[in-house]
Amino acid sequence: GQQVMQIPQYQHVQEGEDFTTYCNSSTTLSNIQWYKQRPGGHPVFLIQLVKSGEVKKQKRLTFQFGEAKKNSSLHITATQTTDVGTYFCAGHYGNKLVFGAGTILRVKS
Amino acid sequence: DAGITQSPRHKVTETGTPVTLRCHQTENHRYMYWYRQDPGHGLRLIHYSYGVKDTDKGEVSDGYSVSRSKTEDFLLTLESATSSQTSVYFCAISESSAGTEAFFGQGTRLTVV
Repeated sequence: GQQVMQIPQYQHVQEGEDFTTYCNSSTTLSNIQWYKQRPGGHPVFLIQLVKSGEVKKQKRLTFQFGEAKKNSSLHITATQTTDVGTYFCAGHYGNKLVFGAGTILRVKS
Repeated sequence: DAGITQSPRHKVTETGTPVTLRCHQTENHRYMYWYRQDPGHGLRLIHYSYGVKDTDKGEVSDGYSVSRSKTEDFLLTLESATSSQTSVYFCAISESSAGTEAFFGQGTRLTVV
């Protein structure tokens, strides 16, 4: 079946360090979405990438969609304590919205 | 926040009992999803709906059934709860199957003892 693999599972960083999470799909995607879930909260949509090779930025967050539209990454520059949480990628497979396992980010101040 | 409400928010039930979780939306979105969230597994799709009375299975549908008799409500039923179904359950809605963001409910924490 369709799968979205995401690594790493956990990342502990010192405040100010960079962070990256990677997402790979078993099949080509029409688009990929990223969500953030704060501890104790629910996932919240961050962004959607549609085009091959697309790069989008939101302040310190940079999102990339691979040329083959099968992989994506989220990079956070100079992490802050407000960045803690779990970051998920998600892909649409027909009518299904399938999520990766998520990357838990912890930031040490 | 999108108008999406899950009930109950917390529930403790005994093994073997039936349990129904409700997801209610006021956005008139066509698509509704049920996920379970467990440590190390992220969000796993249980069932989804693409319209009234139109539902399909996700990746972890065994032991669960759903119904959608009207646009605003999507019910998830555990016919006979087991301890392995202890989890946090999230409902999500979206306007279309691609190209639109999903909005999540607050979640239901279910404990099966």
